[in-house]
Amino acid sequence: DTGVSQDPRHKITKRGQNVTFRCDPISEHNRLYWYRQTLGQGPEFLTYFQNEAQLEKSRLLSDRFSAERPKGSFSTLEIQRTEQGDSAMYLCASSSEEGRDRPQHFGDGTRLSIL
Amino acid sequence: GDSVTQMEGPVTLSEEAFLTINCTYTATGYPSLFWYVQYPGEGLQLLLKATKADDKGSNKGFEATYRKETTSFHLEKGSVQVSDSAVYFCALSYSSASKIIFGSGTRLSIRP
Repeated sequence: DTGVSQDPRHKITKRGQNVTFRCDPISEHNRLYWYRQTLGQGPEFLTYFQNEAQLEKSRLLSDRFSAERPKGSFSTLEIQRTEQGDSAMYLCASSSEEGRDRPQHFGDGTRLSIL
Repeated sequence: GDSVTQMEGPVTLSEEAFLTINCTYTATGYPSLFWYVQYPGEGLQLLLKATKADDKGSNKGFEATYRKETTSFHLEKGSVQVSDSAVYFCALSYSSASKIIFGSGTRLSIRP
């Protein structure tokens, strides 16, 4: 169990640029989640995949956001035309379908700063 | 909609003091309840959980009891250590396939 891996750890970009983050879940986990955490707040749910299917999207996920998990393994989260309000920590989590109440395991996150 | 409210921080205590962090929830159904912890420079970790009313979750000396009648899940520890300094999040979820709804977090600092 190598844990959930996120890349990059930090991203600084100018307003209006596009950014893409990557998440590698724990290898046997078929469920993958993205959350966003702003300073002083708890994480807020963005979207959820089971294998390659995106099953739920939050209203927080505007048209500028898109997430993919093409082969049911790693996932990417892209933000187009970034805005100041997108500055946050983006967290990825994964869990297994097997067994009841399998917990979500979180990565260390990607911190996005918009200049 | 569903939500979690927890006491605002920061909370500062001396080592070996008793800790309580209050958490209440609003839910349309019967969720599982969790406490997550985020140590400095680290990712979120599950601390403990309870899946039904009157269940008690415990781990590392921390305890919390699922109280349906008061919609609460308060975190307690009898004697805190400096190493317990972290941000603690109360949360709820309806299943392992479901999103987690988090509170805003409580920062705990323990003085030696």
